Amino acid sequence: NAGVTQTPKFQVLKTGQSMTLQCAQDMNHEYMSWYRQDPGMGLRLIHYSVGAGITDQGEVPNGYNVSRSTTEDFPLRLLSAAPSQTSVYFCASSEGGTFSYEQYFGPGTRLTVT
Amino acid sequence: AQTVTQSQPEMSVQEAETVTLSCTYDTSENNYYLFWYKQPPSRQMILVIRQEAYKQQNATENRFSVNFQKAAKSFSLKISDSQLGDTAMYFCAFMKANAGGTSYGKLTFGQGTILTVHP
Repeated sequence: NAGVTQTPKFQVLKTGQSMTLQCAQDMNHEYMSWYRQDPGMGLRLIHYSVGAGITDQGEVPNGYNVSRSTTEDFPLRLLSAAPSQTSVYFCASSEGGTFSYEQYFGPGTRLTVT
Repeated sequence: AQTVTQSQPEMSVQEAETVTLSCTYDTSENNYYLFWYKQPPSRQMILVIRQEAYKQQNATENRFSVNFQKAAKSFSLKISDSQLGDTAMYFCAFMKANAGGTSYGKLTFGQGTILTVHP
């Protein structure tokens, strides 16, 4: 199993550009989520999904869109990048049910918006 | 909503000594999990230890143990016999659980503590 994969590893955008951060998992996990990590603030939940076709907002959803058309993929879209979205982004997944506490994290994407 | 606070931005320890990282949290929930994650310079998030709130016994994993004080909402991590490879950022995290122990996998993290182990 590859686990949770994220692409790209690094990205530089100009203000106003759009892009999609990709996240995929091959463990047939029900739950997937996106976090951003900023210095001094830990990781904060952006959006999460409890299954294909079901998504919901986390703590800091503004400026980000998600959809989940398959169990495996959970892309994060930035429609109009802003410097405040400069961060490291992590995708995570877990089984549903009683093992949902066991989170598997991807390697992260470092995004810089100039 | 719940909050997690790590009041020590940085800590240092000599190799082979013991260090304790502090974490407090605030919640009105009765069922939840608490975690410590390690993030080395590689950026990978690594689970160190997990504690279920309903368990009174403190969790241990080899050199890592926790002091879970539910009434005080405190969850500290003790690292014994510190090793150079323990140098990393450490995050305390909270996850709400449903009555059956399930959750939606949503974590609330503290700000992190940078631990440096000196030879």
